[in-house]
Amino acid sequence: ETGVTQTPRHLVMGMTNKKSLKCEQHLGHNAMYWYKQSAKKPLELMFVYNFKEQTENNSVPSRFSPECPNSSHLFLHLHTLQPEDSALYLCASSQDVQYSNQPQHFGDGTRLSIL
Amino acid sequence: KQEVTQIPAALSVPEGENLVLNCSFTDSAIYNLQWFRQDPGKGLTSLLLIQSSQREQTSGRLNASLDKSSGRSTLYIAASQPGDSATYLCAASGGGADGLTFGKGTHLIIQP
Repeated sequence: ETGVTQTPRHLVMGMTNKKSLKCEQHLGHNAMYWYKQSAKKPLELMFVYNFKEQTENNSVPSRFSPECPNSSHLFLHLHTLQPEDSALYLCASSQDVQYSNQPQHFGDGTRLSIL
Repeated sequence: KQEVTQIPAALSVPEGENLVLNCSFTDSAIYNLQWFRQDPGKGLTSLLLIQSSQREQTSGRLNASLDKSSGRSTLYIAASQPGDSATYLCAASGGGADGLTFGKGTHLIIQP
């Protein structure tokens, strides 16, 4: 059983909808990450949070809005998405961004399809 | 900007063979190099992490090497099994809040 849980596993939404992706980690980690995995492309880092503070925004469009209310939970709020945003969205956690030699642990992802 | 390349993109071999997956990166100023496995419809599972000061790491039938100066890493899988079939991803860490830079992966099929 993974220590990082993502819900929902699948999401289909129209371009005008608003939805949220949820990630929860049970590993006692302090850093959490959102990645996007599109077909034929490498995983792309989107956001990094460390101790609930956002430390990285990798030039992500404002239609993606992250939220980290505590070290165990991470959300990705979605609104007015485009068809090219269809992808697998992966959440990961690690001990702390300062302990970079600790591996990241990934959830199983949310498969997002934009109609 | 760091770029990570994995060769080959796909590989199919008979069960029992030893095989090597290759990863190269453009910026040698990495903190570590990580290898992951991804099964269809699943997230990533960490296999091995090599710190920048290390040359290799081993776990069971897996051995990963790192040559920072040449910007290369290899993942060696001994005595391959059908259960090894998956996509293998290589990622370079710049340390701190930089996160990981991933390659596109090698899709591996082990034929029974």
